[in-house]
Amino acid sequence: EVQLVESGGGLVQPGGSLRLSCAASGFDFSYYEMNWVRQAPGKGLEWISYINTVGITIYYADSAKGRFTISRDNARNSLSLQMNSLRADDTAVYYCVREGNLRELDYWGQGTLVTVSS
Amino acid sequence: SYVLTQPPSVSVAPGKTATITCGGNNIESKSVHWYQQKPGQAPVLVIYYDSDRPSGIPERFSGSNSGNTATLTVSRVEAGDEADYYCQVWDRSSDHKVFGGGTKLTVL
Repeated sequence: EVQLVESGGGLVQPGGSLRLSCAASGFDFSYYEMNWVRQAPGKGLEWISYINTVGITIYYADSAKGRFTISRDNARNSLSLQMNSLRADDTAVYYCVREGNLRELDYWGQGTLVTVSS
Repeated sequence: SYVLTQPPSVSVAPGKTATITCGGNNIESKSVHWYQQKPGQAPVLVIYYDSDRPSGIPERFSGSNSGNTATLTVSRVEAGDEADYYCQVWDRSSDHKVFGGGTKLTVL
């Protein structure tokens, strides 16, 4: 069974940093591209970042570029998102998401809540 | 950047057919994926590659894509289908994934 378990969310002050992690199991993690998607309270889904299987090709949404860094450790079956210079509008549930062969997002974690507030 | 437009809400009586649209410029040239999200839960993929269903998704869920509009159809709607539905594409020009704003399906 595919499982994606996020951790690392919490309350952080504006301008602060947070590192999210995602533990993957039930599939060969090194064969799959991965993404982070977030959802602000009461709002829709927003794609944040993508990383290919070997961690070389990386893309960010404009809202994340220059502040967030995605990375992966295939030996540990883990995905990370380093978030710096956090703002109030970064407050959201952050989902770790596996990508399928046709660019679909086929498995989602349960999400971790990040709250940016003073 | 590429924009996907969905109606904010759709209402349907039980047993009837719900149609949720996703508009985008020449969207027929892209593969469209659909997600269902129930309150307090993570999204679930219900349609991929315009019209394919992942295993475990009922045949009542179907999709199509033509011209500037992709459509998710839910036949014989049940109370358990009440959820938010999002369309998504990959924008090749930016290598970004794009979501529609979401449609709240209400079962009357």
